[in-house]
Amino acid sequence: DIQMTQSPSSVSASVGDRVTMTCRASQGLSNWLVWYQQKPGKAPKLLIYLTSSLQSGVPSRFSGSGSGTDFTLTISSLQPEDFATYYCQQAKSFPLTFGGGTKVEIK
Amino acid sequence: QLQLQESGPGLVKSWETLSLTCSVSGGSMTSTTYSWGWGWIRQSPGKGLEWIGIMSYNGDTYYNPSLKSRVTVSVDTSRNQFSLRLTSVTAADTAVYHCVQYDMSSGWFDPWGQGTLVTVSS
Repeated sequence: DIQMTQSPSSVSASVGDRVTMTCRASQGLSNWLVWYQQKPGKAPKLLIYLTSSLQSGVPSRFSGSGSGTDFTLTISSLQPEDFATYYCQQAKSFPLTFGGGTKVEIK
Repeated sequence: QLQLQESGPGLVKSWETLSLTCSVSGGSMTSTTYSWGWGWIRQSPGKGLEWIGIMSYNGDTYYNPSLKSRVTVSVDTSRNQFSLRLTSVTAADTAVYHCVQYDMSSGWFDPWGQGTLVTVSS
C-alpha cells in the first residue's frame, strides 16, 4: 500500500495569510494526487485532482503542485470559509489511500 | 448535479452484518457512458479516511485488501442505488460511512454522501 503523510498536522493562520501544506507519498505517484477540504460535520469536498487541476467552482486562491512523492496545496490568501481540514489522496493504485489531514485553524 | 444519500441501521451488533444503501438523485447512474465507479469510504477518529471499495461502470470490483474478505459493493442501476455489505463486524468497524462517486480515469471522489454513523456494539 502507498502511505500518505501530511504535514503539518495543524497550522494556525490569519485571514489573508498564505498557507502551504505538504503531502508525501511512500512511492512515486507521478501526478496522481487529489486534495479535499472537510469542514466539521460535513463530507469532504473535492478541491484539486491530478495534482494541480482545480475542480469546477473551487476558488482560484487554491492551487496544487508537485510530482513524484512530494506535493503541496497552497491557499494564496486565506478566507474565513477556508478554516477546515485538508486531506490528500493518492490515485495511482489500489488500495486508494489518504493522508492524515492538515487542520487549518484561526490564529 | 448528483446527490448521494446513505441509509441503513446506525447500530449493528458485533459479528453481525452491516448493510448500507446509497440512493442517487439528481440524475441517472447510467445517464452517461463516462467511466464512473460507485463506492464507499469510512472515517473514524482512529483510522482517518479509509477507502473500502468500488464497483466500476463495467461491473468490476476493487476492494481494500484489509477488508476484502468481508466486503461486497453492489449496484442496482434500475433503482439508482448501490449498496455496501460488511460481514462479521467488530468495534473496529465503528465509523462514519460515506458513499461516493469515483472517477475511474482521474481517481477522485465526488460527490460524497453526507455520511452515516454506524456503531458496532457488543
